[in-house]
Amino acid sequence: AAGVIQSPRHLIKEKRETATLKCYPIPRHDTVYWYQQGPGQDPQFLISFYEKMQSDKGSIPDRFSAQQFSDYHSELNMSSLELGDSALYFCASSSRGEKLFFGSGTQLSVL
Amino acid sequence: AQTVTQSQPEMSVQEAETVTLSCTYDTSESDYYLFWYKQPPSRQMILVIRQEAYKQQNATENRFSVNFQKAAKSFSLKISDSQLGDAAMYFCAKEGGSEKLVFGKGTKLTVNP
Repeated sequence: AAGVIQSPRHLIKEKRETATLKCYPIPRHDTVYWYQQGPGQDPQFLISFYEKMQSDKGSIPDRFSAQQFSDYHSELNMSSLELGDSALYFCASSSRGEKLFFGSGTQLSVL
Repeated sequence: AQTVTQSQPEMSVQEAETVTLSCTYDTSESDYYLFWYKQPPSRQMILVIRQEAYKQQNATENRFSVNFQKAAKSFSLKISDSQLGDAAMYFCAKEGGSEKLVFGKGTKLTVNP
């Protein structure tokens, strides 16, 4: 069965650089969520999209932006990277009202 | 803000024994979902079990079952016949509006052979 696909799996950036993380939800899922999990931390909700419109926003820095495209894939854009942005970034998708399925995550390391 | 509390940062269990992980939460809603996720060293988030708050019957998935006490806002996970592969971080989570999840801080489970 198709799962949530995230790319890249690993990403290394320097401070002040920009990073783009991609998420391809399960086919026919209409909602995408982004979570950030710092080292030894629980996942924190960043932002979600339903039918390509932002549906909810959590503790997402102003340096980050995200969008969902017509094919339902989503991208998380992160600018002016800081050391504290080093984390595992999860994307999850769901069909409205059903359970979330998580991708394998993108491990971002900021040096 | 809604909160989910896991009071046990670490737990250990002998292989083939039973262990219970605790979780409490705060909410003013009457209908919501609760989840237990497993995160092994690979860091993949794996759904273990889901409970709908309006259902009184406790959810069960093979060796995993929950004790859901709605009035007490308690949602514990019982793992029976523990296996070495059960070793992982376990996160309790609640659907916190707009279907996003609010997670607890996690419980690290060690399974001893």
